[in-house]
Amino acid sequence: LAKTTQPISMDSYEGQEVNITCSHNNIATNDYITWYQQFPSQGPRFIIQGYKTKVTNEVASLFIPADRKSSTLSLPRVSLSDTAVYYCLVGTGTASKLTFGTGTRLQVTL
Amino acid sequence: EPEVTQTPSHQVTQMGQEVILRCVPISNHLYFYWYRQILGQKVEFLVSFYNNEISEKSEIFDDQFSVERPDGSNFTLKIRSTKLEDSAMYFCASSEGDRGYEKLFFGSGTQLSVL
Repeated sequence: LAKTTQPISMDSYEGQEVNITCSHNNIATNDYITWYQQFPSQGPRFIIQGYKTKVTNEVASLFIPADRKSSTLSLPRVSLSDTAVYYCLVGTGTASKLTFGTGTRLQVTL
Repeated sequence: EPEVTQTPSHQVTQMGQEVILRCVPISNHLYFYWYRQILGQKVEFLVSFYNNEISEKSEIFDDQFSVERPDGSNFTLKIRSTKLEDSAMYFCASSEGDRGYEKLFFGSGTQLSVL
């Protein structure tokens, strides 16, 4: 299983772009990279998923370099409501093999 | 967006009592899961369920736990004899498939407090 490493916490001001990098040095060929967001007392919520290069949706962008040993979740112009824990998950096979790490606690302030 | 619904949102029980946590997965999903999160800790996989049987389970999911899909819409987690350490937020999730790149849809959770 690919182990992931993320910063424990990050702080940002409202309106700024936030980039959270996840390191996954032993990612396997078939592994996908998925990011979830979790608000306090709520279940994780899927944000974005990618395999290589760049993926963008209405919420975020995901940048994956050619070697795929890391990935960066980019949140454009964050607001207070983006304060949450962000998890980077790497894997394939059955969903049970996906491991939620400690995540990155993002705090957005005015 | 479709939602996974969990009831109750909070459950308080005495140690040794049985509890049943209920979930309504998204209607066209085929795979169902239970996860738990002890306060301040990681989200942990408990069990996956497909075609009316358990697909996989973790070490946490011991004999005191059971899951059931009693009808076409509900998915339940039963804890037979609760312990203090079972206090946690329990999340139900569902997905269309069961591969690592499937999008998991989580419910809002049931906060279980064992006294």
